[in-house]
Amino acid sequence: GDSVTQMEGPVTLSEEAFLTINCTYTATGYPSLFWYVQYPGEGLQLLLKATKADDKGSNKGFEATYRKETTSFHLEKGSVQVSDSAVYFCALGANTDKLIFGTGTRLQVFP
Amino acid sequence: NAGVMQNPRHLVRRRGQEARLRCSPMKGHSHVYWYRQLPEEGLKFMVYLQKENIIDESGMPKERFSAEFPKEGPSILRIQQVVRGDSAAYFCASSPVNRAASSTDTQYFGPGTRLTVL
Repeated sequence: GDSVTQMEGPVTLSEEAFLTINCTYTATGYPSLFWYVQYPGEGLQLLLKATKADDKGSNKGFEATYRKETTSFHLEKGSVQVSDSAVYFCALGANTDKLIFGTGTRLQVFP
Repeated sequence: NAGVMQNPRHLVRRRGQEARLRCSPMKGHSHVYWYRQLPEEGLKFMVYLQKENIIDESGMPKERFSAEFPKEGPSILRIQQVVRGDSAAYFCASSPVNRAASSTDTQYFGPGTRLTVL
C-alpha cells in the first residue's frame, strides 16, 4: 500500500544553518505531495505542496521538489530561524482522497 | 474567512463514558476528514465524509466509533465507552468541492481536540 517514510528526529540546528528533512514515498499512480508543519500545541498547517513530477513547492523560505525518479520530496531551507522549531510532516494524497502521513520530524533550532 | 473550527479543544472523560468531538469545516468546503494522532506519532486517517454521506471509513475502528456530517451543523466524531487507548489528538480537516481527478485537493486542518481518558 501507499506509504511515506521520513527521517527520524530530532534534528537540532543552530540558527542560520541549512536544513534538509528527507522524505520518500511509495505509491501507485500519481500522488500529490505535501509538507505540513505543527507548532507546539497546535494543529497542522500546510507549508507547501506539489501535484506532479518536477514541481517545486515553496513557502516561507522552505522548498521541496517532487522527484518521481527517486520517489522523494525532501524539504529544504537555506537558513533556519528559532521560530522554525516545530514538527514537520510529509504526506501524500492519492486519489483515495485521504492523506497518508509520515511519522513526523521534530526540528529544534537554537540561537 | 474562518478556518476549520473544532470543539472542544480539550476533553477529559472517564473510562466508559462517551466523547463527542465537533468539527465545522471552512466556509464553502463540503468534504470533511478525521484523523487521529497518538502521542509521538503521525496522523492516521479515520474517516472521510461529505454532507450526509460517509465516503471512506476504512480507518475507523470497527466498534465504538462513529462519524456523521449532517445536512445542517458540524461533523461529529463519536466515541462510545471510551478506553485509555483512545487518548489522542483528533484532527478534522476540510477541502473544497472541486478537484482534478488525478490530484488530491489541499486539506485544511483544525486545531484538534485533545482527548484524555482517565
